[in-house]
Amino acid sequence: RKEVEQDPGPFNVPEGATVAFNCTYSNSASQSFFWYRQDCRKEPKLLMSVYSSGNEDGRFTAQLNRASQYISLLIRDSKLSDSATYLCVVNVGGSQGNLIFGKGTKLSVKP
Amino acid sequence: ETGVTQTPRHLVMGMTNKKSLKCEQHLGHNAMYWYKQSAKKPLELMFVYNFKEQTENNSVPSRFSPECPNSSHLFLHLHTLQPEDSALYLCASSQEWGRAQYFGPGTRLLVL
Repeated sequence: RKEVEQDPGPFNVPEGATVAFNCTYSNSASQSFFWYRQDCRKEPKLLMSVYSSGNEDGRFTAQLNRASQYISLLIRDSKLSDSATYLCVVNVGGSQGNLIFGKGTKLSVKP
Repeated sequence: ETGVTQTPRHLVMGMTNKKSLKCEQHLGHNAMYWYKQSAKKPLELMFVYNFKEQTENNSVPSRFSPECPNSSHLFLHLHTLQPEDSALYLCASSQEWGRAQYFGPGTRLLVL
């Protein structure tokens, strides 16, 4: 099983749609989780950290399921500007360790 | 200037050239990283510096040589590169090793 696994997509959705991405991780000792977005030919940008209780930032909701070892990202009311690749990131080493990046899920929001 | 900056943004070099990439972070962070991102591949961690000490070298060929003179600056020295080294090289920093990382805009490198 890969350390961090994501469906590469692409997810093609109309504006206003709700879309959800899942990401699975293999190391049950993982402590920290993040979602990044990366636009074409740009650097990854931190979208949100994922807390054990789940967290919400505007139209974006992230949730963590430790028992099943997956993280989800829900985007409500999709905008054209949400089109990007979404990277699932896991810290496999607790407070001191490297971040492992997934390959990303590509989202394309159409008018 | 704020955040993480990288220079140059684009670089074309021959296989016999020597060049250096520069990264500077203005966030007061203690950890800095070099990543390589090739087309359609995930980010590959190359080097980690924590409080100016190198803590990670992910089996990177010796033609890549990092340098961290202080906690705000990170360099990647390049020499005798191969065409397959062409990629986007990203620098990142974080408050502590393992925390959320903030990336610079990257240097797009082409080796001819």
